[in-house]
Amino acid sequence: AQRVTQPEKLLSVFKGAPVELKCNYSYSGSPELFWYVQYSRQRLQLLLRHISRESIKGFTADLNKGETSFHLKKPFAQEEDSAMYYCALSGYQAGTALIFGKGTTLSVSS
Amino acid sequence: DSGVTQTPKHLITATGQRVTLRCSPRSGDLSVYWYQQSLDQGLQFLIQYYNGEERAKGNILERFSAQQFPDLHSELNLSSLELGDSALYFCASSARDSRLNEQFFGPGTRLTVL
Repeated sequence: AQRVTQPEKLLSVFKGAPVELKCNYSYSGSPELFWYVQYSRQRLQLLLRHISRESIKGFTADLNKGETSFHLKKPFAQEEDSAMYYCALSGYQAGTALIFGKGTTLSVSS
Repeated sequence: DSGVTQTPKHLITATGQRVTLRCSPRSGDLSVYWYQQSLDQGLQFLIQYYNGEERAKGNILERFSAQQFPDLHSELNLSSLELGDSALYFCASSARDSRLNEQFFGPGTRLTVL
């Protein structure tokens, strides 16, 4: 079965601390993995996708096929990073639709 | 606004009723996806349309149906509503039917069934 698991509902860190939002997936095949973010009073929007191998707003995510993980990392958290983060996958079994995890709220305080 | 638009923003109705949610995709996008977000289930894929035709189905109840019109806007019809249908319904659009295409989300319609 296709599934995305985000084990933490809430992650609270101090400004300047490293951040790691965990994401594990279950999928037989090669899915495309994404991180979407929803800032307060804004729409859900794409943060990054594994195929791009890029860093957006200082965030990176590495696909580990052996551990079926796609954790999101940032070395130094900023207060503006506070938001809801969703890990998602897209694969042939789901067509092009996104299968989302339940999300992790990141709270960065000074 | 050239982004995805959804109407209405809020909808309050009673059990047993029927409602229609509307979505206009970004200009030029051919694919429309509907998602339901509830507290217990999170964000779940309901159904996808591509250029007027149904492309994929997810966890969509038989009481729910959708369609995409020639101008590419889409409507999600929810009938025989139950309390458990209360949720935020999102529409998303993408340029093509590809796993690599970014999906752009609308602001959502909040449905409350009393």
